[in-house]
Amino acid sequence: QSVLTQPPSASGTPGQRVTISCSGSSSNIGSNTVNWYQQLPGTAPKILIYSNNQRPSGVPDRFSGSKSGTSASLAISGLQSEVEADYYCAAWDDSLNGLVFGGGTKLTVL
Amino acid sequence: QVTLKESGPALVKPTQTLTLTCTFSGFSLSTSGMRVSWIRQPPGKALEWLARIDWDDDKFYSTSLKTRLTISKDTSKNQVVLTVSNMDPVDTATYYCARLLYQRGGYYFDYWGQGTLVTVSS
Repeated sequence: QSVLTQPPSASGTPGQRVTISCSGSSSNIGSNTVNWYQQLPGTAPKILIYSNNQRPSGVPDRFSGSKSGTSASLAISGLQSEVEADYYCAAWDDSLNGLVFGGGTKLTVL
Repeated sequence: QVTLKESGPALVKPTQTLTLTCTFSGFSLSTSGMRVSWIRQPPGKALEWLARIDWDDDKFYSTSLKTRLTISKDTSKNQVVLTVSNMDPVDTATYYCARLLYQRGGYYFDYWGQGTLVTVSS
């Protein structure tokens, strides 16, 4: 059971916009920033969003992040088949004094 | 450029101790603000953070695995070592090391190794 809660799956058709949620608590998302990672099949995760809504250089602007209270979300617009992947949220947890991940969301482009 | 690579045994027996080495380049763990973590991922399952070591030798461990984990660094070799004692089949996973950066008020992994699959079986 992951500390951060994500829906196990999400889907959309090409061109659509989808959002993936990540729910936590006051000790993690509520008091620290949230990151999002993309993991393509058979590869290591890659940073997509850091500090709630910042994109590293090279990440397309169709990926965006937001945070409110103890929840965060990742939005992906203009869906294309190449974004089919697993997406994980993560945050530092002050109570555990460690980093926690969500259970991951598998995104399917129909 | 920054690279990290994990190395270690592909197969360990139950109750044995696993030793993994992360060899990196492009940065130094003696530089203020540098940090490296280990993360694992059982086949078909989610990522799980294991441990972190900082430039000043501060160490942090997963609460659930703390008694079995030891993280250390060899700055001269640009290596971080993780040991996991008393291995069990449930510890079968791909083990990743990653650089942990602190920017704009938060931590995130900006570079990851390719991962190494460790299977626990007799």
